[in-house]
Amino acid sequence: AQSVAQPEDQVNVAEGNPLTVKCTYSVSGNPYLFWYVQYPNRGLQFLLKYITGDNLVKGSYGFEAEFNKSQTSFHLKKPSALVSDSALYFCAVRDRHGGYQKVTFGIGTKLQVIP
Amino acid sequence: EAGVTQFPSHSVIEKGQTVTLRCDPISGHDNLYWYRRVMGKEIKFLLHFVKESKQDESGMPNNRFLAERTGGTYSTLKVQPAELEDSGVYFCASSLWDSGNEQFFGPGTRLTVL
Repeated sequence: AQSVAQPEDQVNVAEGNPLTVKCTYSVSGNPYLFWYVQYPNRGLQFLLKYITGDNLVKGSYGFEAEFNKSQTSFHLKKPSALVSDSALYFCAVRDRHGGYQKVTFGIGTKLQVIP
Repeated sequence: EAGVTQFPSHSVIEKGQTVTLRCDPISGHDNLYWYRRVMGKEIKFLLHFVKESKQDESGMPNNRFLAERTGGTYSTLKVQPAELEDSGVYFCASSLWDSGNEQFFGPGTRLTVL
């Protein structure tokens, strides 16, 4: 069975500092990996995904994520945090092995950027 | 391009009542998904439609939940009768293709069962 772990309930970072939101996953084959963001009273918005190719994936709003197969991680990063980045971030995985698989989401990490 | 819309945005009902949630996907998206998030927990998959057919309904909690997608356009999710543990936010999402494609989410319906 596939699973996603987001070990931090909340991440606090000062505006202008780099931020990292952690995600590790477990699949039997190779993964599709996704990051979504949810702003208050809104639906989830797609940020970026890893399908294949370069391990460093760049996405919306200056975010990027690095796929690390050996550590089964897909941490979300941004070089300089903005107050407007404060939101709930979800990591998601889909196993490419064995035909159809649904997407599994993590529990979410609340990012608080402090002015 | 209009996004995924959901109706209602909020619903408060009493235990034993019936509620129907509606989702309108992005036009042309064959894949439609329902998810639920209970407060503070992960977003859980409920089911996946491809056009009007159920591709995967393994996440449906029990037979009190019924999802339909008539004509392969909008979808409804009916809960009958509602129980306290059904409270949560129900998200709908759609995508053009399945597999490695990202999903586009609606704003969710917050269901409270008293």
